[in-house]
Amino acid sequence: GAVVSQHPSRVICKSGTSVKIECRSLDFQATTMFWYRQFPKQSLMLMATSNEGSKATYEQGVEKDKFLINHASLTLSTLTVTSAHPEDSSFYICSARLAPGDRDRDWQPQHFGDGTRLSIL
Amino acid sequence: GNSVTQMEGPVTLSEEAFLTINCTYTATGYPSLFWYVQYPGEGLQLLLKATKADDKGSNKGFEATYRKETTSFHLEKGSVQVSDSAVYFCALLQAGTALIFGKGTTLSVSS
Repeated sequence: GAVVSQHPSRVICKSGTSVKIECRSLDFQATTMFWYRQFPKQSLMLMATSNEGSKATYEQGVEKDKFLINHASLTLSTLTVTSAHPEDSSFYICSARLAPGDRDRDWQPQHFGDGTRLSIL
Repeated sequence: GNSVTQMEGPVTLSEEAFLTINCTYTATGYPSLFWYVQYPGEGLQLLLKATKADDKGSNKGFEATYRKETTSFHLEKGSVQVSDSAVYFCALLQAGTALIFGKGTTLSVSS
């Protein structure tokens, strides 16, 4: 099945550091990838939609200069948290979209990575 | 805009109890509906789905029926196990957009 690999799974760093998170579709091409943020005991909030070869579309309230998204190939999207501060600590999850198959009973709208737990000290 | 509302948790049950987690949605048109599960320390897994009204999604003993008239997609299981302890998210999808999630409901099952 479609696999999305997200790396790193956990990162702890000092305030002011920039952190890059990678999201790869391992066995399929993903023209569209999504980045979500999950606060403790809360839902996943969509941060941005990333389309290969074009600028990401950010949701209202998400700082595009803070959360840089690059989707340079059909299998890789990256999220860079620039000059991270403790309030940026969170669980970040990426997902990739497959085209729906009429006869694919296992079709899923998005395949999720395992997430990255970011802790800023 | 589109939204999903789930019952507040946590839900605490004894093993073999009946489970219901309510989910209602607001959407234009006819979205697809999903339940995802997140086990402690892990990512999201698709539990079940329904793509049109009156469809029933089922998996691992869990069921949910897409009710257009009540805009609901309640999750049920007849007999929960300790291993079902997790956070459950209801979600909807409109064509061409990203999944929209409810706030999640934490289920804790004790033996």
